[in-house]
Amino acid sequence: QSVLTQPPSASGTPGQRVTISCSGSSSNIGSNTVNWYQQLPGTAPKLLIYSNNQRPSGVPDRFSGSKSGTSASLAISGLQSDDEADYYCAAWDDSLNGFWVFGGGTKLTVL
Amino acid sequence: QLQLQESGPGLVKPSETLSLTCTVSGGSISSSSYYWGWIRQPPGKGLEWIGSFYYSGSTYSNPSLRSRVTISGDTSKNQFSLKLSSVTAADTAVYYCARRTVTEGAFDIWGQGTTVIVSS
Repeated sequence: QSVLTQPPSASGTPGQRVTISCSGSSSNIGSNTVNWYQQLPGTAPKLLIYSNNQRPSGVPDRFSGSKSGTSASLAISGLQSDDEADYYCAAWDDSLNGFWVFGGGTKLTVL
Repeated sequence: QLQLQESGPGLVKPSETLSLTCTVSGGSISSSSYYWGWIRQPPGKGLEWIGSFYYSGSTYSNPSLRSRVTISGDTSKNQFSLKLSSVTAADTAVYYCARRTVTEGAFDIWGQGTTVIVSS
């Protein structure tokens, strides 16, 4: 069972806006920034959002992140078929001398 | 352009030690701007951070694996390594090495991953 909680699945049609939630606690999301990763089928994860809402160079502005309290969200607007992938949130957890924790992942299906 | 490449045996027997190496090209593991980490993904499951190495020699690991994990770096070869002892079938996974930025705190560059199966 993952420390960060994500819905196992999400879906949308092309052009729609979808959001994926990530719930944690005071020792992780509540006190540290959140990163989001996209994993296309059969490939390594790719950094999508860092520091809650920052996009690395090359990531389209259709992807956005936010954080409030002990929860975070990833929003994808103008959904495209290429966005079909697994999405993971991650944060540093301050307990037990500190360690990185990930969400269980959300499989996004573009209908 | 920075690239990371994992290497090591694809098959390990139960109770033995899993050993993997990550070779970094296009950048230096001696940089103070980055940590170098290992993350794994069991078949059909999510990501799990194993541990990280810093150029100073400091290492950090997941509390759930700490007693079995050793991470080290070889600056002369620009490589860092993972050893996981006393493996069981639960350690079967794709193992990734990745770079983590100190300032942004995110794993921004990943290797392609290597599959390790624990089986007799």
